[in-house]
Amino acid sequence: DAGITQSPRHKVTETGTPVTLRCHQTENHRYMYWYRQDPGHGLRLIHYSYGVKDTDKGEVSDGYSVSRSKTEDFLLTLESATSSQTSVYFCAITPHRQGEAFFGQGTRLTVV
Amino acid sequence: KQEVTQIPAALSVPEGENLVLNCSFTDSAIYNLQWFRQDPGKGLTSLLLIQSSQREQTSGRLNASLDKSSGRSTLYIAASQPGDSATYLCALDMGGGETSGSRLTFGEGTQLTVNP
Repeated sequence: DAGITQSPRHKVTETGTPVTLRCHQTENHRYMYWYRQDPGHGLRLIHYSYGVKDTDKGEVSDGYSVSRSKTEDFLLTLESATSSQTSVYFCAITPHRQGEAFFGQGTRLTVV
Repeated sequence: KQEVTQIPAALSVPEGENLVLNCSFTDSAIYNLQWFRQDPGKGLTSLLLIQSSQREQTSGRLNASLDKSSGRSTLYIAASQPGDSATYLCALDMGGGETSGSRLTFGEGTQLTVNP
């Protein structure tokens, strides 16, 4: 399972509240990613990281921020959650710059 | 912008049948293509990765092929079993530099049901 742990696994939050999702890896890989999965859209890239403190935007980054203060943790923050951010969020890593991707088990987030 | 299409969206077959899942893409300048399996409520499990210079990859009963010129990949499953029931996703990496990583563009998947 590539040593990826996402927390929490499930969360229900209210509109307007901040939410932080955590992705933890045990293998010290350089590249980490956050995706969201929605019916009718498949998986889409939110943000990714290519090293400690090095991050960049993906396809659907509006309303999200990320931080990576140490190699093993990649945090995704919804500054003010909206109902449109109800989704399943997946963290992924790639051991190499271009290579096989491995995914965490996902976090189901519901914004009410 | 790369677009990835998987047809059919759903497929139901009897156990033992050989089957083919399709993935088509609009931009042939890909770096690699990866097939995943996703069980309900679970994460994605990597099945096969095909580099752009390769034509196919095999793992057990699975064989994935890649034809960049036609913008197509197929996943062949031999002698299907009920345990193969899942959603199968293809994803493309367009490549990039050191700061690009492996940013994937996904199809919406084919939901496969193998009936005993």
